[in-house]
Amino acid sequence: QVQLQESGPGLVKPSGTLSLTCAVSGGSISSNNWWSWVRQPPGKGLEWIGEINHSGSTNYNPSLKSRVTISVDKSKNQFSLKLSSVTAADTAVYYCARYLGGQQQAFDYWGQGTLVTVSS
Amino acid sequence: DIVMTQTPLSSPVTLGQPASISCRSSQSLVHSDGNTYLSWLQQRPGQPPRLLIYKISNRFSGVPDRFSGSGAGTDFTLKISRVEAEDVGVYYCMQATQFVTFGGGTKVEIK
Repeated sequence: QVQLQESGPGLVKPSGTLSLTCAVSGGSISSNNWWSWVRQPPGKGLEWIGEINHSGSTNYNPSLKSRVTISVDKSKNQFSLKLSSVTAADTAVYYCARYLGGQQQAFDYWGQGTLVTVSS
Repeated sequence: DIVMTQTPLSSPVTLGQPASISCRSSQSLVHSDGNTYLSWLQQRPGQPPRLLIYKISNRFSGVPDRFSGSGAGTDFTLKISRVEAEDVGVYYCMQATQFVTFGGGTKVEIK
């Protein structure tokens, strides 16, 4: 069974860069899937941030594209998120998830999520 | 951007009774490959989302058959035939025809 675990600082200063890593276990990040980041502000809905595949191809939410970088480290079986120039509006629980392409086009495995607060 | 609108915002349901959630997209979700990539997710309190239904009506592995999805084009529905206590949570529709966007969520609670 695939498991995903987010890690990174829980507090980031305004104008700084949010950095998170998602470790994948029970499966290879080099499989034919996409690996995604989704966030959820406290008490609110879900927002897709972007995705990456094992070869490093990426797709980003147009509304966040200028500030987002997603990368993959196949040797460590993990992928990462960087979000720059953060403000209080970026405070959210950040989830990593596996995205099934092909005939499904849906998220099947999710991490437990990690709360990142943007505050001075 | 494709905007996903869910109704109702909240659905109080009696145990054992049915529940229905609607989801409407701002444009057709029919992909150029002919498929419609509309899925439904459940988020129980304090938990990450869980995939229930993909491609309108296909139940994901392990999902009870009391959950069903239907619809086409821009209008979709998730039905729970008989609500159980473990079904309490927020339900989201999600489109993946053009990038990914989620509906605002519908809270299912027990009366």
